[in-house]
Amino acid sequence: DAGITQSPRHKVTETGTPVTLRCHQTENHRYMYWYRQDPGHGLRLIHYSYGVKDTDKGEVSDGYSVSRSKTEDFLLTLESATSSQTSVYFCAISERGPLSGGAETQYFGPGTRLLVL
Amino acid sequence: GQSLEQPSEVTAVEGAIVQINCTYQTSGFYGLSWYQQHDGGAPTFLSYNGLDGLEETGRFSSFLSRSDSYGYLLLQELQMKDSASYFCAVRVPYNTDKLIFGTGTRLQVFP
Repeated sequence: DAGITQSPRHKVTETGTPVTLRCHQTENHRYMYWYRQDPGHGLRLIHYSYGVKDTDKGEVSDGYSVSRSKTEDFLLTLESATSSQTSVYFCAISERGPLSGGAETQYFGPGTRLLVL
Repeated sequence: GQSLEQPSEVTAVEGAIVQINCTYQTSGFYGLSWYQQHDGGAPTFLSYNGLDGLEETGRFSSFLSRSDSYGYLLLQELQMKDSASYFCAVRVPYNTDKLIFGTGTRLQVFP
């Protein structure tokens, strides 16, 4: 158990409002990721972090920002939500483990279902 | 661009063997992973291939051929609980290891 929680688990919001999703981990992992999952697209990386205050963009970062002021928390903000941002959002951490021959394996939080009306 | 191709859906019966293929085109390659996701759940790690060949973990095996940019996940002795979506993911070099995911294969196991 990688000790990852996400909040809220479900959210309904209106177009144009800002929304912040929180990812919290208890294992002191350095790397954290935000993905969105949509039918037909699999998981797409939004932003990731490789340490406190160290973040970088993924492949679908437009309209999103992130912050990481503490190791355990990684926040994803939709600056002005749009209907196209209706999705399931997953946070993940990565660690090297024996099951992956020492390579980094990603462990996912339970997800946040976001509906933008 | 970067792309991973998998079949969108596969069906099989309990006790059977099924193979889910994945072909990839990525800028850089460190390894191929497989993740399982049940409806409404989070993806969970199944297996990883960093080198060519077969890796076996219980009923599941995964194969990689780097020269062919191809891998597969083999599920044996299928059970109803194996009904899920399966994603291949390529690990590419970046500031941190970055995963590029395929669009997923939905496996339905019938009694």
